Amino acid sequence: DGGITQSPKYLFRKEGQNVTLSCEQNLNHDAMYWYRQDPGQGLRLIYYSQIVNDFQKGDIAEGYSVSREKKESFPLTVTSAQKNPTAFYLCASSIGGTASYGYTFGSGTRLTVV
Amino acid sequence: AQSVSQHNHHVILSEAASLELGCNYSYGGTVNLFWYVQYPGQHLQLLLKYFSGDPLVKGIKGFEAEFIKSKFSFNLRKPSVQWSDTAEYFCAVNEPSGGSYIPTFGRGTSLIVHP
Repeated sequence: DGGITQSPKYLFRKEGQNVTLSCEQNLNHDAMYWYRQDPGQGLRLIYYSQIVNDFQKGDIAEGYSVSREKKESFPLTVTSAQKNPTAFYLCASSIGGTASYGYTFGSGTRLTVV
Repeated sequence: AQSVSQHNHHVILSEAASLELGCNYSYGGTVNLFWYVQYPGQHLQLLLKYFSGDPLVKGIKGFEAEFIKSKFSFNLRKPSVQWSDTAEYFCAVNEPSGGSYIPTFGRGTSLIVHP
């Protein structure tokens, strides 16, 4: 079945460490997105990529970095500069930027800083 | 930047009651509009979307939404809710920006339906 795979499902990180969240899709979608979901704040856009080797900052990019070396992969690194990294992270993709068929979401990674 | 407002953060209804969830956005140009649902412990799923044409859009599970351009609104409705509609609902807007499209989601509305 086609879809988006996010791994790991749960991740614990010590303060001061960088950590990378994986997002892989086999839908042949061009565009991919990273969101952070916090209670009462909905989904906030961290980074997005419309094509390979190109990505743009979203509303809350500080303390995060991404790469898009392959169409199917869009990993997110949460750096030590991110002041409040504990959150639920969602990856999404769409057929092109217009998302004429909507966005497909992964099941998320819950990151906890200990 | 685009903003998307969902007026109701928490809604509690009894089964068979009618539902309307508000969604307003700020961008004045052409936008694409979506409603997503997140059932407990599940992925976000697309309920319905509006791109053009008939402003009354019908989605899955008996949901519909009406695009009112003059009010910058895209409210979600269902005439008779069921216990299984208990979930979090997100409105989203996709606006063009510098050759890209920026998807913005609202804060979500938590719906609890009592049997």
